[in-house]
Amino acid sequence: AQSVAQPEDQVNVAEGNPLTVKCTYSVSGNPYLFWYVQYPNRGLQFLLKYITGDNLVKGSYGFEAEFNKSQTSFHLKKPSALVSDSALYFCAVVGSSNTGKLIFGQGTTLQVKP
Amino acid sequence: GAVVSQHPSWVICKSGTSVKIECRSLDFQATTMFWYRQFPKQSLMLMATSNEGSKATYEQGVEKDKFLINHASLTLSTLTVTSAHPEDSSFYICSARVGGAEQYFGPGTRLTVT
Repeated sequence: AQSVAQPEDQVNVAEGNPLTVKCTYSVSGNPYLFWYVQYPNRGLQFLLKYITGDNLVKGSYGFEAEFNKSQTSFHLKKPSALVSDSALYFCAVVGSSNTGKLIFGQGTTLQVKP
Repeated sequence: GAVVSQHPSWVICKSGTSVKIECRSLDFQATTMFWYRQFPKQSLMLMATSNEGSKATYEQGVEKDKFLINHASLTLSTLTVTSAHPEDSSFYICSARVGGAEQYFGPGTRLTVT
């Protein structure tokens, strides 16, 4: 079965420090991977995606993610966290290329403290 | 580009009444739209997939007679919660897909049933 795991419910970092939000996946075939961010009572905002190509993907708001096929991981990173980055982050993978259905991880709350 | 809107953004209704939520792709035509339900601080649960002009495909465990989905055009899908009850209170999010793997999400609708 295809799945996505975000092993941390919450990540706490100090403003200015680097941050990492972890994601591992299990899919058959080539994975299409996404990161989304959600602020309270809002929909999901797209951050970045990996379809093919370079393993290091750069996205919105200074975020990047590294696709690691051997470790089946797609961790989200940012060199210097901002308080405004505090939000709920979701990793997702396309479960079916025909339907386009996304399989979401459980979500990780990022708390950046000043 | 790729903006998806939802209306209303929040709604309060009495138990036993029906509520309709609209999802529109504003600047593109969506081949497929998805409806999700989200409980507080939890991940998104896919309810159904809808394609323009055809019946929606519901996920296992989702009552199709309770959650009516109509995809009348390439830019509009509606979700009607029939005979709503307090347990239907949730955050409902739609998304739209053009044809690739990426989905564009609406801002969500907060439904409260009293």
